[in-house]
Formats: sequence, C-alpha cells, structure tokens
Amino acid sequence: QKEVEQNSGPLSVPEGAIASLNCTYSDRGSQSFFWYRQYSGKSPELIMFIYSNGDKEDGRFTAQLNKASQYVSLLIRDSQPSDSATYLCAVNGAGTASKLTFGTGTRLQVTL
Amino acid sequence: DAGVIQSPRHEVTEMGQEVTLRCKPISGHDYLFWYRQTMMRGLELLIYFNNNVPIDDSGMPEDRFSAKMPNASFSTLKIQPSEPRDSAVYFCASTSQGNQPQHFGDGTRLSIL
Repeated sequence: QKEVEQNSGPLSVPEGAIASLNCTYSDRGSQSFFWYRQYSGKSPELIMFIYSNGDKEDGRFTAQLNKASQYVSLLIRDSQPSDSATYLCAVNGAGTASKLTFGTGTRLQVTL
Repeated sequence: DAGVIQSPRHEVTEMGQEVTLRCKPISGHDYLFWYRQTMMRGLELLIYFNNNVPIDDSGMPEDRFSAKMPNASFSTLKIQPSEPRDSAVYFCASTSQGNQPQHFGDGTRLSIL
C-alpha cells in the first residue's frame, strides 16, 4: 500500500468550474499536509499547507483535512487554464516532522 | 529574496563519470533536502540535513551516492560512478523548521548516456 495516494488523472474541468483534488495517507500520526503545484519541466511550487482538521482558504484555493478519515483535499474555485498542472500532495511521517512523502500527483486540465 | 539555487541546470555525461550537483539553500533555513524525481517513481527523498548534519539518508539508493553539507550555505550530491538509471531530475529544497513548507530549487536535469 502506498503511503500517500492520489488519482493520477487527468482530471478535466471546464474553465470557471471547481476542481477537486483528493489525497489519502496511511500514517495516522501525520501532522503536516502540503499541496504543491508542478508545471511540466518546472519545480514543485507550494500552494497550500494545513495542520488542523477542517478547511483553510487562500484566495481561490481551499485545503480540507480530515485526520479521522486520513484524507486531505484541495479545491480550486473558478478554475483557470493557468491552473493546468500536476498537483502533488505531501505528508510528513509520524515522529519525523521534516520527512515528507509525496504522492505521485494528479494532473489537472482546465479546458476552455 | 533569493530562492534555493541549484547548479548546473542540465548535465549530460557518460556512464561511469562522476557527477556533482550543487545547492545553495535559502539564507536562514536550517533544513536542506535532496530529492530525485522520475516518471516511474515520482518525487523521492534521498537525504536531508539539519544544521549541516545528515539526519536521514535512508533514501540514498546505494553507495555510489553521497551528499555533504560543509556549511550552512552549500551542499553537494555526488554520484560516482554514474549509471544510465541515475537519469532523473534532482531537486534541492530548504525550510526554516522541520514541519514548515519546503521551498524547491529549479532542479538539475541529469542524463547519463
């Protein structure tokens, strides 16, 4: 079983719609959760991070965390073509706050 | 502020040669991470340092790989001898505290022929 799982996609949404990206993790002790965006040929870029259960909003982005279900999601409102990229979920391990495990990423395509 | 700086951006070399990748973390960041990204395996942590000391090198694939951090502003990742399966993009990242977001450099695209 993979430690951090994401649907590889592609997830295709029309411009202006809400994109919902999901991630599950196996380590119940994980405390820190990150979403990175990676354009083709570029480096991962931090989008959101969340530490507590519930929602965290930043502009068009909302991160949702449910530790009981071991589930973290990223919502992108009013999706734009420039949001088309691969989104990586990263989770730290219990007892190793520094060590992140990355999912394989979900490729998002925002269509005109 | 300058971000994480990696060099070279691209490296093409022949099998058996020594490869040295370089990284300058963001000033004031005490943690430095080396990752490797491939299509097959995704983004994998190789090793990380805290205050210039290697903390976890369990991701280093084999003895051909070594990493050093002689001071707070410089780290190297060496592969000797290199093999075609080492071809990948290698990223360096840094952060100020262990549980804070990591900031990535632009990466080194390594091709071993």
